[in-house]
Amino acid sequence: GQQLNQSPQSMFIQEGEDVSMNCTSSSIFNTWLWYKQDPGEGPVLLIALYKAGELTSNGRLTAQFGITRKDSFLNISASIPSDVGIYFCAGRTRGTGNQFYFGTGTSLTVIP
Amino acid sequence: GAVVSQHPSWVICKSGTSVKIECRSLDFQATTMFWYRQFPKQSLMLMATSNEGSKATYEQGVEKDKFLINHASLTLSTLTVTSAHPEDSSFYICSARNLAGGNYEQYFGPGTRLTVT
Repeated sequence: GQQLNQSPQSMFIQEGEDVSMNCTSSSIFNTWLWYKQDPGEGPVLLIALYKAGELTSNGRLTAQFGITRKDSFLNISASIPSDVGIYFCAGRTRGTGNQFYFGTGTSLTVIP
Repeated sequence: GAVVSQHPSWVICKSGTSVKIECRSLDFQATTMFWYRQFPKQSLMLMATSNEGSKATYEQGVEKDKFLINHASLTLSTLTVTSAHPEDSSFYICSARNLAGGNYEQYFGPGTRLTVT
């Protein structure tokens, strides 16, 4: 199946810093989802995006659906230790029906 | 709302035996559930799409006779790993789409760690 390119692969930041990560695809997507996964657990949905250009926030998290519909961005402001985890983007194209394909993941470490 | 459970959370089995993993949507109905496999420090790889009342759709390279999927009701899908081998050891995660959600958001279960000895 498809896999989306996500960058950076890993990040080590100081507590309080802002974080940015992105996800790109060679295909045009109709929906983007962002998830956070803690070790040994299933991913938890953070933000869902449905329209090109859409900007949606969830607390300190903000995600955007790229204008080209081939990318999406996730920003975390004022990071805290509990932000540690792996962040995945997931995208759905018109052709894949209900299926989402996942990005390669961004591992975030927050240093207190 | 939108809670998905999986059982068991972890299982150890001997090579050659079969293991069944259950995925349940607890507070919503899901016509479609998805099964993923995840290796350590890697992304989720979609294995199959489970549709209530019909045959599952498998991704390319996934053996349907080895990974049997049954979606008998709107709240339950099962994945059976038949004749398991050590290379089947992995983290298996299901997700479900909320039928009433009117969107394509998927909610994940907590995962099942399978170890085949």
